[in-house]
Amino acid sequence: QVQLVQSGAEVKKPGASVRVSCKASGYKFNTYDINWVRQATGQGLEWMGWMNVNTYSTGYAQKFQGRVTMTRDTSISTAYMELSSLSSEDTAVYYCARGTGDLPFEYWGQGTLVTVSS
Amino acid sequence: SYVLTQPPSVSVAPGQTARITCGGNNIGSKSVHWYLQKPGQAPVLVVSDDSDRPSGIPERFSGSNSGNTATLTISRVEAGDEADFYCQVWDSSSDVGVFGTGTKVTVL
Repeated sequence: QVQLVQSGAEVKKPGASVRVSCKASGYKFNTYDINWVRQATGQGLEWMGWMNVNTYSTGYAQKFQGRVTMTRDTSISTAYMELSSLSSEDTAVYYCARGTGDLPFEYWGQGTLVTVSS
Repeated sequence: SYVLTQPPSVSVAPGQTARITCGGNNIGSKSVHWYLQKPGQAPVLVVSDDSDRPSGIPERFSGSNSGNTATLTISRVEAGDEADFYCQVWDSSSDVGVFGTGTKVTVL
């Protein structure tokens, strides 16, 4: 069965960077894009960007341009999302989700809580 | 950027029908997906491509999409349907994903 398993919770200081991983299993890794979505406590879902695992193409929401980088390691079927210059406003649960273009996000990771605090 | 607007909350009695709207400019020309999210859990896809139900999703969940409004309908509402619901589309003009503002469904 398809699974996306994310790395554990992180605590970071303002100005630091964080990298969250998303390990895929149960399907051929390079046949679907990986998207990243975040959710601050009590808030809605916020789409951050996508990565074509096969071509390495990426697309980021304008809000995160210049601060987010999405990468992957196909040898271990793992996608990564790195967010830099963290502030308290980046405290949120970060999810990876499998989806390509206008196809739905059918599978989601369990979420990774990133807390930014001095 | 493309904006999807949902009502913040919908309240419904058990056994009745809940309708959640998702408004967007000419949304009828896009494929709309709906997700259910319970506290502390990842979102779950309940309707894809306007009206398709993934395997395992009860027939009580249905969707429609036309003009400037997409609608998720939950028939014969149960206490376990209490959750936050989000609509989502892909804005192909910008190649970005867009989520609606979210609707909290409360079962009275």
